[in-house]
Amino acid sequence: DGGITQSPKYLFRKEGQNVTLSCEQNLNHDAMYWYRQDPGQGLRLIYYSQIVNDFQKGDIAEGYSVSREKKESFPLTVTSAQKNPTAFYLCASSRVDFFAPEAFFGQGTRLTVV
Amino acid sequence: DAKTTQPPSMDCAEGRAANLPCNHSTISGNEYVYWYRQIHSQGPQYIIHGLKNNETNEMASLIITEDRKSSTLILPHATLRDTAVYYCIVRSGGSNYKLTFGKGTLLTVNP
Repeated sequence: DGGITQSPKYLFRKEGQNVTLSCEQNLNHDAMYWYRQDPGQGLRLIYYSQIVNDFQKGDIAEGYSVSREKKESFPLTVTSAQKNPTAFYLCASSRVDFFAPEAFFGQGTRLTVV
Repeated sequence: DAKTTQPPSMDCAEGRAANLPCNHSTISGNEYVYWYRQIHSQGPQYIIHGLKNNETNEMASLIITEDRKSSTLILPHATLRDTAVYYCIVRSGGSNYKLTFGKGTLLTVNP
């Protein structure tokens, strides 16, 4: 089945440690996105990428880093510089064309930093 | 991308139609209107999108006003499983592929 896989579903880390969240898609989509969601809030865009080895900062990129070495993979690293890392993280992908097709989302990773 | 305005919450009786409004008064000619929904603790799910014509699929109908400044998502026979946060998004195609979400509308379907 085609789709987006985020792993793990739940992740616990100690404060001060970097942590990397995985996102893989087999939809052959060019664009990939990372969002953060806090309780009772909407989705906020962290980073997005249209092509391998290129990515753009979203609205809340501070304290995060990404890489896009392969078309199907877009890992997100939550660094120790992120002041409030505990949140629900969502990855998405979409085609990029004139007719602006829909995005598909993974099931998310819930990160808890203690 | 144009901003959207949605009511924070709405209620609907099970079996009745749910009509969710969205204002996007600054929408430009090449921007599409998208609707997604998010059931608690899951990833958002695409529902429908349109440019200027009304659209219908197996999940919902999308009504866009003639001036394109507002739209309504219609769930014709709401069920308890339709309880979710519904997001209205405006997005252009081509190279401007950024996808920005607001806070959405929490639709609660009551028995």
